[in-house]
Amino acid sequence: GENVEQHPSTLSVQEGDSAVIKCTYSDSASNYFPWYKQELGKGPQLIIDIRSNVGEKKDQRIAVTLNKTAKHFSLHITETQPEDSAVYFCAVQKGGFQKLVFGTGTRLLVSP
Amino acid sequence: DVKVTQSSRYLVKRTGEKVFLECVQDMDHENMFWYRQDPGLGLRLIYFSYDVKMKEKGDIPEGYSVSREKKERFSLILESASTNQTSMYLCATHPPTDTQYFGPGTRLTVL
Repeated sequence: GENVEQHPSTLSVQEGDSAVIKCTYSDSASNYFPWYKQELGKGPQLIIDIRSNVGEKKDQRIAVTLNKTAKHFSLHITETQPEDSAVYFCAVQKGGFQKLVFGTGTRLLVSP
Repeated sequence: DVKVTQSSRYLVKRTGEKVFLECVQDMDHENMFWYRQDPGLGLRLIYFSYDVKMKEKGDIPEGYSVSREKKERFSLILESASTNQTSMYLCATHPPTDTQYFGPGTRLTVL
């Protein structure tokens, strides 16, 4: 089955710096790649997603890039703020039933 | 807005007890999911359901069962709770053309 690896597991940055989280996947048939943010005491919430027919997508300070050939995708957060501190999960879906396979998560800490 | 609610935020049970975790969604979505979340392991799929009375095993179904008698409600059952089932449990719903929406989670402790 699909295997998703996510790195790093923890990431500490200063406010205003950029943060990058990377995920690799194994199944070349996967076609949907969402990123979730989980704040303390809450369930994960979608922050951005990308489909396999697109190489990059941006929404204000966050962007996602996809390299289908290398089977990896990345989350980029620019001008980080303390409220960006959370756990971030990548996920991968392979058509059909809508099952998602999640990465192991990255704890991002943004220090003022 | 999609709303997914879970019956309890925190739950403490004893080994051997039968435990019910309830999840309700208000958007008439067919697909619902149960995950458990453990540090360093991410979210792992326990069971999912794509219609009333339909269920499919996920990646870690052992020790769990589910019930879906009504479209809006998906229950996770621990027949005989064990300490290794102490975890955060997350329910999610998935509309046809969108991504998954999660409930707030239930943190279960089994003593």
